[in-house]
Amino acid sequence: SQTIHQWPATLVQPVGSPLSLECTVEGTSNPNLYWYRQAAGRGLQLLFYSVGIGQISSEVPQNLSASRPQDRQFILSSKKLLLSDSGFYLCAWIGGRATDTQYFGPGTRLTVL
Amino acid sequence: AQKVTQAQTEISVVEKEDVTLDCVYETRDTTYYLFWYKQPPSGELVFLIRRNSFDEQNEISGRYSWNFQKSTSSFNFTITASQVVDSAVYFCALMRGSGGSYIPTFGRGTSLIVHP
Repeated sequence: SQTIHQWPATLVQPVGSPLSLECTVEGTSNPNLYWYRQAAGRGLQLLFYSVGIGQISSEVPQNLSASRPQDRQFILSSKKLLLSDSGFYLCAWIGGRATDTQYFGPGTRLTVL
Repeated sequence: AQKVTQAQTEISVVEKEDVTLDCVYETRDTTYYLFWYKQPPSGELVFLIRRNSFDEQNEISGRYSWNFQKSTSSFNFTITASQVVDSAVYFCALMRGSGGSYIPTFGRGTSLIVHP
């Protein structure tokens, strides 16, 4: 069966510090991978998605970046965090076919102070 | 362009009441998929159901039931005899069936609070 992991689960970082969140998927190959952000009490905002290694599409301009160094690994990064980067970050995957369902990881709660 | 509207921002009920969460969608595609997810306080989005545009048959799973009506572009979700554990934010989502990049469009979510 497929499993998606995210770490860390929670993170408190000072403004201006770097960020690296990691997401890995098990039990599937060549998945579509996604990063979402959810501000407190708000809906889901798609940040990045990837259809393959090294292929990243950005949905919103910001100081975040994403990379996919391996087929089942998706990394969200920032060189300098802003207060507005606080939120709940969710990684998700789809098996690559439109009939497949998008499954989500457990998420990372990021607080920027 | 696709759009999903969940007009109910928050619903508050007392345990054992039935509750319906509304979802209205807009799409020009003839083939598409509809989803419901549950987000409990822990935060992880839990997949509940997927329905394709060619299958209007309603579905029941325990206390959960879904009513898909293409004529009104709605995919409503009913919880029968609600329980405190049903308290969560529920999201409806829409995805293109072909020619797309497999990016779902999510509604803004409905927060359901079930009081004991």
